[in-house]
Amino acid sequence: DAGVIQSPRHEVTEMGQEVTLRCKPISGHDYLFWYRQTMMRGLELLIYFNNNVPIDDSGMPEDRFSAKMPNASFSTLKIQPSEPRDSAVYFCASSLPAKRNEQYFGPGTRLTVT
Amino acid sequence: GQSLEQPSEVTAVEGAIVQINCTYQTSGFYGLSWYQQHDGGAPTFLSYNALDGLEETGRFSSFLSRSDSYGYLLLQELQMKDSASYFCAVRPDNNAGNMLTFGGGTRLMVKP
Repeated sequence: DAGVIQSPRHEVTEMGQEVTLRCKPISGHDYLFWYRQTMMRGLELLIYFNNNVPIDDSGMPEDRFSAKMPNASFSTLKIQPSEPRDSAVYFCASSLPAKRNEQYFGPGTRLTVT
Repeated sequence: GQSLEQPSEVTAVEGAIVQINCTYQTSGFYGLSWYQQHDGGAPTFLSYNALDGLEETGRFSSFLSRSDSYGYLLLQELQMKDSASYFCAVRPDNNAGNMLTFGGGTRLMVKP
């Protein structure tokens, strides 16, 4: 298996621009998680999906952030408009239903908003 | 809620043994997980303790004591490649039971 795939790996954008991060989970994994990691706040869960349905988005910082999962093999995290404080590494992870303690992380997208 | 505390940094010598502790305050949880993250990399799953006691996987072992609200990751025969950050995490046994809460991470530096 190729593992969790994320794109782009790096994104540099100007404040106010829309940013879309993409994720392909491991085939057969019913759970998909979006995390954000910064030095100050550590690893934070933003939102997670079960069988393509958003279950908990309480970690989404504000309305500028949105996430979708149109099918079992694709999810997006969108920031519109982006702000410098959104600069972070964004990880997507997936897991099997019976092994939710064992999450498989993608390589991450390093976002820089100038 | 959940709160996990880990030392921010640990330094050890190649070939030595190091223990990374994790203390937590949570009303209930399914188990304690450990993840490793190298600089610039993604977290990778290391181990999971559902029950009290020691779980061994090669050079790495993990321990959980629910009565003491305490767990640790033990790394033996340290190698330079073990230099990384290590995170403990719990999954609560409530409505948020699908979500992992991570500790702040312990940065391990292995010196020659």
